[in-house]
Amino acid sequence: KAGVTQTPRYLIKTRGQQVTLSCSPISGHRSVSWYQQTPGQGLQFLFEYFSETQRNKGNFPGRFSGRQFSNSRSEMNVSTLELGDSALYLCASSSWGDRAHGYTFGSGTRLTVV
Amino acid sequence: SQQGEEDPQALSIQEGENATMNCSYKTSINNLQWYRQNSGRGLVHLILIRSNEREKHSGRLRVTLDTSKKSSSLLITASRAADTASYFCAPQDTGFQKLVFGTGTRLLVSP
Repeated sequence: KAGVTQTPRYLIKTRGQQVTLSCSPISGHRSVSWYQQTPGQGLQFLFEYFSETQRNKGNFPGRFSGRQFSNSRSEMNVSTLELGDSALYLCASSSWGDRAHGYTFGSGTRLTVV
Repeated sequence: SQQGEEDPQALSIQEGENATMNCSYKTSINNLQWYRQNSGRGLVHLILIRSNEREKHSGRLRVTLDTSKKSSSLLITASRAADTASYFCAPQDTGFQKLVFGTGTRLLVSP
């Protein structure tokens, strides 16, 4: 079956702009989590959605937001980009309540803010 | 949710050798998961061990769990250059909690 698809793969944006990243989970998975990975901070949890509702949220400013659609696809948005937002953004899908089988991650979106 | 702490931070070995990395956590868990990340890519789920299990195998991987010491270890036998990656552990308190990752162990396997 198809894996987790993240688009775009690479993105270059200018400081102050906004960006939207997309994640399509594995078919049948209704939970989508987002992580930010940087060399300095490592893997940081952003938020998690299940059935179009945000279930968990990490410690990120309000510039970071997300949503999930009825087909379980998710988007995350970062407004007023800062240089420090340059990172690899990873999406992971899982079956809510059955995550003991692990998360499946996408290949990530590499965002560079200049 | 709790974060696991991997040790060592970095490990360098030769092909064919075994690699052992450890993970410690603070409070009781439902399960503990290990993931691998090749440079610049997404994480790959390797193995999950439940709190009532002591040892689990998957191919060249062997994971142990000692709940009394709140620690787990991942052993990779007969390492290959392709095993070069970062390895993360993620303890999970319940099946509903988010996974929190530590800084990982960077494994370098030289030919």
